[in-house]
Amino acid sequence: EDQVTQSPEALRLQEGESSSLNCSYTVSGLRGLFWYRQDPGKGPEFLFTLYSAGEEKEKERLKATLTKKESFLHITAPKPEDSATYLCAVQSNYGGSQGNLIFGKGTKLSVKP
Amino acid sequence: DTEVTQTPKHLVMGMTNKKSLKCEQHMGHRAMYWYKQKAKKPPELMFVYSYEKLSINESVPSRFSPECPNSSLLNLHLHALQPEDSALYLCASSSGHPQDTEAFFGQGTRLTVV
Repeated sequence: EDQVTQSPEALRLQEGESSSLNCSYTVSGLRGLFWYRQDPGKGPEFLFTLYSAGEEKEKERLKATLTKKESFLHITAPKPEDSATYLCAVQSNYGGSQGNLIFGKGTKLSVKP
Repeated sequence: DTEVTQTPKHLVMGMTNKKSLKCEQHMGHRAMYWYKQKAKKPPELMFVYSYEKLSINESVPSRFSPECPNSSLLNLHLHALQPEDSALYLCASSSGHPQDTEAFFGQGTRLTVV
């Protein structure tokens, strides 16, 4: 069964304190791994797609990496506005051409000034 | 433009009411999705439309009825809902091409069933 596990469930950082969020996955043929940011009561905002082990992508203070079993979202010198829930999702090769996603439970990040 | 627009933003309905949620995208995407998200839980897939045809129904109760009138629009018709159906309903779209799998979400409709 395809599964996504995110850790930690919650993370509190001081402004400027860098850290990493983890996403472990088991999937029968990875088509893609996705990172989203979600603010309370809002829809998920797309951040990154990773397709193969060794791939890395960056956007401002965020950097996503992928291995054969997990992905990391590194946050460098975070700011209070980075506070949100970060969701990891995978898409299986057996999901057809549709983008149906299997989500982890998310990591709630709080950055204090 | 990566915008998916959902209306209404909030909806309160009684258990005997009939209402509809609407979703629109103008990115030329040919795959559209409905997800349900309960508080502090991840989104759960309900339906997938690919090229205006229903391709996935994740064993959703018949009181939820999806409709895809054209490639830009997706509706979710609601009838005889239960209080436990209260949730954030999210619409998403993707290109529909196997090599382009990124899905973009709308801001959701917060549904409360009373």
